[in-house]
Parts: sequence; structure tokens; C-alpha cells
Amino acid sequence: GAVVSQHPSRVICKSGTSVKIECRSLDFQATTMFWYRQFPKQSLMLMATSNEGSKATYEQGVEKDKFLINHASLTLSTLTVTSAHPEDSSFYICSASLQYTEAFFGQGTRLTVV
Amino acid sequence: SQQGEEDPQALSIQEGENATMNCSYKTSINNLQWYRQNSGRGLVHLILIRSNEREKHSGRLRVTLDTSKKSSSLLITASRAADTASYFCATGGGATNKLIFGTGTLLAVQP
Repeated sequence: GAVVSQHPSRVICKSGTSVKIECRSLDFQATTMFWYRQFPKQSLMLMATSNEGSKATYEQGVEKDKFLINHASLTLSTLTVTSAHPEDSSFYICSASLQYTEAFFGQGTRLTVV
Repeated sequence: SQQGEEDPQALSIQEGENATMNCSYKTSINNLQWYRQNSGRGLVHLILIRSNEREKHSGRLRVTLDTSKKSSSLLITASRAADTASYFCATGGGATNKLIFGTGTLLAVQP
């Protein structure tokens, strides 16, 4: 099946710094990718839709200046958490899919802000 | 926001028993999908059932869909310890497959 790779799997950063997370579709082109956030023992919350070549679409309540999304190519979307604070600590997951089929998820990134 | 709720929130069974998880959703759907997540990992797709389907099987998995009640169930038969994971239903689909997830069921299968 299709593969989506997410990097890094874990990152620890200091408050106030920015962290970039990459999501790559390895064997297919994805014009759309999605970014989710998951708190411990909770479900996935959709943060934004990453659109290749255009601006991301953010869900209500998600700060677009805090979570910068860039989808510069058909195989790569990046999520940058800017000026990170401890409350940004979470598990971030990306997904991509071919049309009208199941979604393929990255392995997730555990972000800890200290 | 969540599309709907799953119940139970947590389920503990013995190996060999069947596990049933239920999912309710709020809006009309193109399809409903079930995913599995091992602790701290990404999600793995299990099964997709379209809105015009009522039941679907895949190995030890059986999914039903009742669009009149806006509900779905996932049955895992003859469970194994390796089935221990969180299970999520998700609705959305369509061309981009934008998914909204349910609250999830944490399944523990005791050996």
C-alpha cells in the first residue's frame, strides 16, 4: 500500500523556539494532505488541510500564525510550530490519500516543549 | 471537532472472545472508515464501508452501517492479544479524504 513518512518521530524543544515537522508521500502524489493533533488518550483533531501550491485551510480555533503549513510539492507538506510553548506539546500526525480511498498516515511526531 | 462518539470508551476482553465497538455520527456521509492505532503510533486503515453498503467483512473484521440511525459497528472475532489498540471510526471521504474522527475505543485483549 501507499506509504506516508513523517519526520521527526520525536522532538524536544525549548519554549519560544520553532519546530518543523515533515510529511512525505513516498510513492504517490498528494495534492492534499491533512494535519491532525492528538492529546493523550484522546482522538485525532483535524487541524488543517494542506493544499499543494496554495494556502492551507485551517479548522476553526486553530491559529494559522502558530501552525504554519507549507505544501510546496506534490509529495511534501511541512508543519511548523512557531514560538512553541508547553501547551503545544502533543502528538501530531499527517495523512494523505489517493482519491476516494483510505487515508495513509504518517508515524506521528511526539513534540515536547520544555 | 469530533464527528461523533464511540462506545464503549474502553473494553477489556479475554483472548478468543469477540469485541464489538459502536460508532455514531452526526451528518450524512459518503463512507465510514475504521482505523486502528497502537499506542504512540500512526493510524492503520482497517476497513471502509460506503453509504450504500450495510455490511462488510475483512478477515476477522465485520463492519455494519445503518445510515438511518447514523451508526456503525466494528466486530472483531476471535480476538488476539495483538489486537490490543485504540480503534477509531472516521467519516468524510470524498476526493480528498478529509476525515473527522470519532472519540475512539481502547481495546485491551488479555492473553
